[in-house]
Amino acid sequence: KQEVTQIPAALSVPEGENLVLNCSFTDSAIYNLQWFRQDPGKGLTSLLLIQSSQREQTSGRLNASLDKSSGRSTLYIAASQPGDSATYLCAPSGSRLTFGEGTQLTVNP
Amino acid sequence: ETGVTQTPRHLVMGMTNKKSLKCEQHLGHNAMYWYKQSAKKPLELMFVYSLEERVENNSVPSRFSPECPNSSHLFLHLHTLQPEDSALYLCASSQDAVEGGSYNEQFFGPGTRLTVL
Repeated sequence: KQEVTQIPAALSVPEGENLVLNCSFTDSAIYNLQWFRQDPGKGLTSLLLIQSSQREQTSGRLNASLDKSSGRSTLYIAASQPGDSATYLCAPSGSRLTFGEGTQLTVNP
Repeated sequence: ETGVTQTPRHLVMGMTNKKSLKCEQHLGHNAMYWYKQSAKKPLELMFVYSLEERVENNSVPSRFSPECPNSSHLFLHLHTLQPEDSALYLCASSQDAVEGGSYNEQFFGPGTRLTVL
């Protein structure tokens, strides 16, 4: 059974910092991995999807990497802004998406 | 309307009530999903529908009954729920429900916050 761990559980940074969110998973037999953000009490917004054959995927200030063999993915956020404050979830996909508990990010003005 | 919509956004019900949650996707997708998100727990997959056929049921109690009348609509019928069923219920859709490939990138609705008294 796939298990997903996200570290740190919570992170508070001043505006403008570059930061890294970590995700590890136990079963490397995945097809892709998706990163989402979730605002309090809201649904999930898809940020990036990385195919298992890819190493990186970029969208604006976001860059996600995937090391499938070691069961790790990172989400890099450049020049963080208060609007980035949310919970970030990673979800590797084997037969289905499996979610971690997320990293709660607060970016302070 | 765009993306995935869910109604109602908030629902309070007693344990003897019967209610339904509705999800609609405007993305032309063939697969739809129900997830449950409880406080302090990761999202749990409940049901998967592909082309209106249920392809997965993750040991969900029978007091939750899904219905998919067409590929754009998904319902979750609720009856005799328990207080521990209080949670955020999220609907998602993807191009297909097959394993692998970019087609199973999932797009989520805003959720229904359910409170069972």
